[in-house]
Amino acid sequence: GAVVSQHPSRVICKSGTSVKIECRSLDFQATTMFWYRQFPKQSLMLMATSNEGSKATYEQGVEKDKFLINHASLTLSTLTVTSAHPEDSSFYICSGWAPDTQYFGPGTRLTVL
Amino acid sequence: QKEVEQNSGPLSVPEGAIASLNCTYSDRGSQSFFWYRQYSGKSPELIMSIYSNGDQEDGRFTAQLNKASQYVSLLIRDSQPSDSATYLCAVKAQGGSEKLVFGKGTKLTVNP
Repeated sequence: GAVVSQHPSRVICKSGTSVKIECRSLDFQATTMFWYRQFPKQSLMLMATSNEGSKATYEQGVEKDKFLINHASLTLSTLTVTSAHPEDSSFYICSGWAPDTQYFGPGTRLTVL
Repeated sequence: QKEVEQNSGPLSVPEGAIASLNCTYSDRGSQSFFWYRQYSGKSPELIMSIYSNGDQEDGRFTAQLNKASQYVSLLIRDSQPSDSATYLCAVKAQGGSEKLVFGKGTKLTVNP
């Protein structure tokens, strides 16, 4: 299967700071990538669709000014959590289609103190 | 609203038994169906994909699709303790959307 990487795998930050998470498709190109969030013992929640060269599409209830998404190239999408607060602590996962199956990155665990 | 429903679980089976996981979906135009396995603290990994009615087998795993009944299932034969995980059913809708709609998952425990 295709490979998606994420960096960092874990991050701990102080409340009020911003955190950037990178998602890379290593062996395929992705015009669209997806960002999910998962709280403990809960199901995956799609946050937004990242579109190469254009604005991201956010799901209802997701603050676009808080979760900044940039899809700068066909292999890189970034999610920046701005002014992070403890309630943003979660497992963030990205994914992309290659080509008929959606593959997931290993996830980034964010802890906001 | 497109929905995917799974057995609420948890499901517990003895080692060596067949585990049966079920999923129904609401969008009749759906074309692509996937089963993902998610271990605790990890991201989902693809187990099976299925696109046409009938059975599709891969090793100990068999996916079954019935579009008329809007039903997808996953059978795991000779279940092993390492199969213990949450299994997610996902459906891709017809048309331009590339989103996957996920069920809430069924937690499977295989007891040695």
